[in-house]
Amino acid sequence: KAGVTQTPRYLIKTRGQQVTLSCSPISGHRSVSWYQQTPGQGLQFLFEYFSETQRNKGNFPGRFSGRQFSNSRSEMNVSTLELGDSALYLCASRPTTLDEQYFGPGTRLTVT
Amino acid sequence: GNSVTQMEGPVTLSEEAFLTINCTYTATGYPSLFWYVQYPGEGLQLLLKATKADDKGSNKGFEATYRKETTSFHLEKGSVQVSDSAVYFCALIDSSNTGKLIFGQGTTLQVKP
Repeated sequence: KAGVTQTPRYLIKTRGQQVTLSCSPISGHRSVSWYQQTPGQGLQFLFEYFSETQRNKGNFPGRFSGRQFSNSRSEMNVSTLELGDSALYLCASRPTTLDEQYFGPGTRLTVT
Repeated sequence: GNSVTQMEGPVTLSEEAFLTINCTYTATGYPSLFWYVQYPGEGLQLLLKATKADDKGSNKGFEATYRKETTSFHLEKGSVQVSDSAVYFCALIDSSNTGKLIFGQGTTLQVKP
């Protein structure tokens, strides 16, 4: 089975712009979670989607949003980018009956 | 709230040395516990898991036992290799939502030949 894929792998944006990141889960996985990884804050949960519905959201401002499509692919969007949004954004998928998550390689976002 | 605390790194060992990375947790209920590993420039890989007290997770020579009485899940390996150099994360599933992992701060392991 193919693993979790994320596109793009690297992205450079300017402050004030917006960005959309994409995640394709492992085939058959309906749950997708997103995490932000920074040297200062470590790994922080952004949100989880299951069957196109957001089930939980972490403590991030409303500039961070996401969605999930009927094929379980997910996107996250960050609007009005700030320098502090520079991070590695990781997506993970999970099979319905198990609790372990499988991560993609991440998207490295740099905001200048 | 739930939380995970790992020993601070970096940990530097010689090849074939014994490894222990300490992890303790605070949680309501009995969450599943995990160790993930991250190699440079990559995402996280699931290393092992345990779902209930006294369970032992193991994979690729690594082991960790779910200790409810000490709220710990220490990672051990009998003989490390240079290829084990990476960042190791202890994590738990937030008991109220199985889609949210709570991570420790990560421990960098460097193994020298």
